[in-house]
Amino acid sequence: DIQMTQSPSSVSASVGDRVTITCRASQGIATWLAWYQQKPGKAPKLLIYGASTLQSGVPSRFTGSGSGTDFSLTINSLQPEDFATYYCQQGQGFPLTFGGGTRVEIK
Amino acid sequence: QVQLQESGPGLVKPSETLSLSCIVSGASISNSYWSWIRQSPEKGLEWIGYIYYGRTANYNPSLKSRVTISVDTSKDQVSLNLKYVTAADTAVYYCATRLWDRHSSSWFWFLDSWGQGAQVTVSS
Repeated sequence: DIQMTQSPSSVSASVGDRVTITCRASQGIATWLAWYQQKPGKAPKLLIYGASTLQSGVPSRFTGSGSGTDFSLTINSLQPEDFATYYCQQGQGFPLTFGGGTRVEIK
Repeated sequence: QVQLQESGPGLVKPSETLSLSCIVSGASISNSYWSWIRQSPEKGLEWIGYIYYGRTANYNPSLKSRVTISVDTSKDQVSLNLKYVTAADTAVYYCATRLWDRHSSSWFWFLDSWGQGAQVTVSS
């Protein structure tokens, strides 16, 4: 299985801050990577796929980058609705696997 | 817009079979890929498997011996059966669709639309 490791596990930030979350794959996955946002009691929501393609309707303050084994999600100018947990997921091979999550909390 | 709704017993006894349904609306059940994913505090998000109508199914090797995913087109329903459950199978279970990227006209193995989730507790 391809292991996905996210860091940090949590981050405290204020509205307007820039936050960067990283995700590392245990082997190269080209750009077969997605990012999801999950709020308490809700299902994950697809934000970015193909490492950097914004899903329809997702604000442009979310950007994704990376390829191979190292990826990042950046939230520019954090908004109140962005406080949530973020997960990466590899779509290179089966079984599909997810990172452990990064919780973005209000400072 | 695809809408998915999971349903099933919230409590299952150890060693019994967990059975969940996912009702699909807004999409052709015979023309898409349907996945099940579960989430627990212990294991995080875990992909269970997928089915592509009547043709292909693929399961997580960690669950393969116990899991079956099937489709009932007459009911627009995707089903999950997990046999011989233990407390470790306690989780929120989601159904979800595979992403179809209109720009590239390609399927990607990312999960686009999700149901709201169904909590299942395994306990006697």
